[in-house]
Amino acid sequence: GENVEQHPSTLSVQEGDSAVIKCTYSDSASNYFPWYKQELGKGPQLIIDIRSNVGEKKDQRIAVTLNKTAKHFSLHITETQPEDSAVYFCAARDPWGGTALIFGKGTTLSVSS
Amino acid sequence: GAGVSQSPSNKVTEKGKDVELRCDPISGHTALYWYRQSLGQGLEFLIYFQGNSAPDKSGLPSDRFSAERTGGSVSTLTIQRTQQEDSAVYLCASSLLVSSSTDTQYFGPGTRLTVL
Repeated sequence: GENVEQHPSTLSVQEGDSAVIKCTYSDSASNYFPWYKQELGKGPQLIIDIRSNVGEKKDQRIAVTLNKTAKHFSLHITETQPEDSAVYFCAARDPWGGTALIFGKGTTLSVSS
Repeated sequence: GAGVSQSPSNKVTEKGKDVELRCDPISGHTALYWYRQSLGQGLEFLIYFQGNSAPDKSGLPSDRFSAERTGGSVSTLTIQRTQQEDSAVYLCASSLLVSSSTDTQYFGPGTRLTVL
């Protein structure tokens, strides 16, 4: 089945800097890659997603890139703000598991002002 | 509109007891998922319901775990004879599964289960 690796596990940046989180996946048939943000005590919230027919998607300060050949995708946050501090999860849809998502282990992002 | 709701928000139980966790999906969402999040870990898929189809139980870790979805809406996850390793946050998600390309999953706040 699908396996998703996520790096780094923790990331500390200064306010205004950029943050990049990278994920790799194992099954080349996976076709959907969402990113979730989880704040303390809350459930994960979808912040952006990308499908395998595009290479990049952007939404204000957040962008995601996908390299199908290398089987990796990345989250880019520009002009980071303290409220961006949270745990970020990448996921891939297991093509053999219906619509179940396979998640990475998460990245704890800390933005200091 | 209302999002996915889960109850209770916290549950403390003793080893060997049974627990029931409840999920109310977003109205109109046909698909419902249960995930488990252990401390410092990602989300682990447990079970998936889609309409009236047989559920995908491939992620359930043991036969002590079961789930039901009554009337295509509310779901209950039951853990029998709880063990300390069952301690985790149990997350429910739902999606408007029109097609596999529109399967955005929306998560509830989770139930934190602690087994003493």
